[in-house]
Amino acid sequence: NAGVMQNPRHLVRRRGQEARLRCSPMKGHSHVYWYRQLPEEGLKFMVYLQKENIIDESGMPKERFSAEFPKEGPSILRIQQVVRGDSAAYFCASSRDRGNYGYTFGSGTRLTVV
Amino acid sequence: DQQVKQNSPSLSVQEGRISILNCDYTNSMFDYFLWYKKYPAEGPTFLISISSIKDKNEDGRFTVFLNKSAKHLSLHIVPSQPGDSAVYFCAASAEYGNKLVFGAGTILRVKS
Repeated sequence: NAGVMQNPRHLVRRRGQEARLRCSPMKGHSHVYWYRQLPEEGLKFMVYLQKENIIDESGMPKERFSAEFPKEGPSILRIQQVVRGDSAAYFCASSRDRGNYGYTFGSGTRLTVV
Repeated sequence: DQQVKQNSPSLSVQEGRISILNCDYTNSMFDYFLWYKKYPAEGPTFLISISSIKDKNEDGRFTVFLNKSAKHLSLHIVPSQPGDSAVYFCAASAEYGNKLVFGAGTILRVKS
């Protein structure tokens, strides 16, 4: 049973480009969470999704960021017109049930904006 | 507004001794607390958790203590092993099934 798969592992974008980060949850998991880790900081919650629904996006920046978890396929975190401050490690986690806090994290995507 | 604080950026311990990692929180609505371990270039791995109705939870070499009146929790690792060297994050939740609030992490180095 594969774990949470995130790709790409590393992504380099120039300022103003778009970044797309993908997350395939563990088999049987229908809850997906995205977190961001800036240098020297802990992980910060961004968004919580179930299939086709955004449950909580209170941690998402108001502009340029969006997330989806379609009925088929991976969850996508999309950052438009990236800026240097978007450089960070982005982690996705999944769980089978709501309330199962010991959810499984992927290895992350490290985004570098040049 | 740091609701979860890990005031020690790093800790160095001799192999076989006890490691104690500390965490303080400010939000009295938090009702579930977790510890995660993270190696470089990997995602965090769930280690142990505790509900606010308990004051202690034990799993093998790992024990978490919760002092609600002091809004403080700690993770004890006994005996410490070199493989325990990693970054340890404390996390808390106030909303059932929803987001976690993480501390900034403590780097643990276990020397052999």
